[in-house]
Amino acid sequence: NAGVMQNPRHLVRRRGQEARLRCSPMKGHSHVYWYRQLPEEGLKFMVYLQKENIIDESGMPKERFSAEFPKEGPSILRIQQVVRGDSAAYFCASSPASRTGELFFGEGSRLTVL
Amino acid sequence: SQQGEEDPQALSIQEGENATMNCSYKTSINNLQWYRQNSGRGLVHLILIRSNEREKHSGRLRVTLDTSKKSSSLLITASRAADTASYFCAETQGGSEKLVFGKGMKLTVNP
Repeated sequence: NAGVMQNPRHLVRRRGQEARLRCSPMKGHSHVYWYRQLPEEGLKFMVYLQKENIIDESGMPKERFSAEFPKEGPSILRIQQVVRGDSAAYFCASSPASRTGELFFGEGSRLTVL
Repeated sequence: SQQGEEDPQALSIQEGENATMNCSYKTSINNLQWYRQNSGRGLVHLILIRSNEREKHSGRLRVTLDTSKKSSSLLITASRAADTASYFCAETQGGSEKLVFGKGMKLTVNP
């Protein structure tokens, strides 16, 4: 049973370009969470999605960031017009139920903006 | 906003010693979880303690929860070099679905 798969693992973009990060949850999991981690810091919640629905996007910047989790295919975190401050590790996690359970994390996608 | 705060922020011990990490939080919780992160890797779930539980064990791990003090502690007994990692507490609050993480604590176990 494959774990949470994230790709790409490393992504380099120039300022102004778009970054697309993909996350395939564990089999049977229908809940996906995205977190951002800056070096030497904890994880900051960005967004929580279920299939075709955004449940909580309270941690998402108002501009340039969007997330989706379509009926078919992986969840996508999209960052438009990237800036240097977007450089970070972006982690996806999934869970089989909506409350109180543990999250299963992917290995992260490390975005570097030049 | 981030709630959990681990203490100390960094700890260096010798193999075989015990390591204790503390976590404080500010609001009422549904449960509190501890995760480990090896350098450059994703987080791995260690243990979950519910708000109506006071203590829980898993192998060399012991977690306590004191809701009156809004604090939790993680004890790793007989530490090994492989325990070297960052450790995070995380909580779910009230009606929220999301898991809120603290800033983490870096544990170094010297062989």
